[in-house]
Amino acid sequence: EAEVAQSPRYKITEKSQAVAFWCDPISGHATLYWYRQILGQGPELLVQFQDESVVDDSQLPKDRFSAERLKGVDSTLKIQPAELGDSAMYLCASSLGPYNEQFFGPGTRLTVL
Amino acid sequence: EDKVVQSPLSLVVHEGDTVTLNCSYEVTNFRSLLWYKQEKKAPTFLFMLTSSGIEKKSGRLSSILDKKELFSILNITATQTGDSAVYLCAAPLRFGNEKLTFGTGTRLTIIP
Repeated sequence: EAEVAQSPRYKITEKSQAVAFWCDPISGHATLYWYRQILGQGPELLVQFQDESVVDDSQLPKDRFSAERLKGVDSTLKIQPAELGDSAMYLCASSLGPYNEQFFGPGTRLTVL
Repeated sequence: EDKVVQSPLSLVVHEGDTVTLNCSYEVTNFRSLLWYKQEKKAPTFLFMLTSSGIEKKSGRLSSILDKKELFSILNITATQTGDSAVYLCAAPLRFGNEKLTFGTGTRLTIIP
């Protein structure tokens, strides 16, 4: 069964360092989402791609976060510099289109020390 | 402001009990409401509800939407320890762009 892949699964870094997360959506899924989930809360959308274009990045802290999906397939999310408050689970999801069910990857748990 | 609110935040019951989880919403241009189950990793999809009063069922789980009173419930009958998880409710907020906003979730713990 096709799944959304993410790596790494866990990342521990010191504040002010740069981190990057990778997501490979289900083949054929045009829409890709990055969410951040702080412990005890529901996921919060950071950025949504339709193919290689950003559809919504209104909640992305653009001073330190960036996301790209250059070929419209896999995507990277980068944080530079990381801050203590960035510690969270970063979830990637994909869907056939913006109106279809979203499938989530296993997530990357980030700890910033 | 659009929002999704879940209750209770946490629930502990014995195996075999029936539970009801609540989700209320205030969403402009409401289209649908979704339920997810989240164990130790990513959320997995349970139900999508678009029509009021029509129950969706999957095994021991069922859900229904009330668009007049702006809420949904998720029922789990004959609970099992494997039902222990966080149950998330979500709604797309913006017409034409399926930006999901999630509630904080209900943490369900089933005691053997």
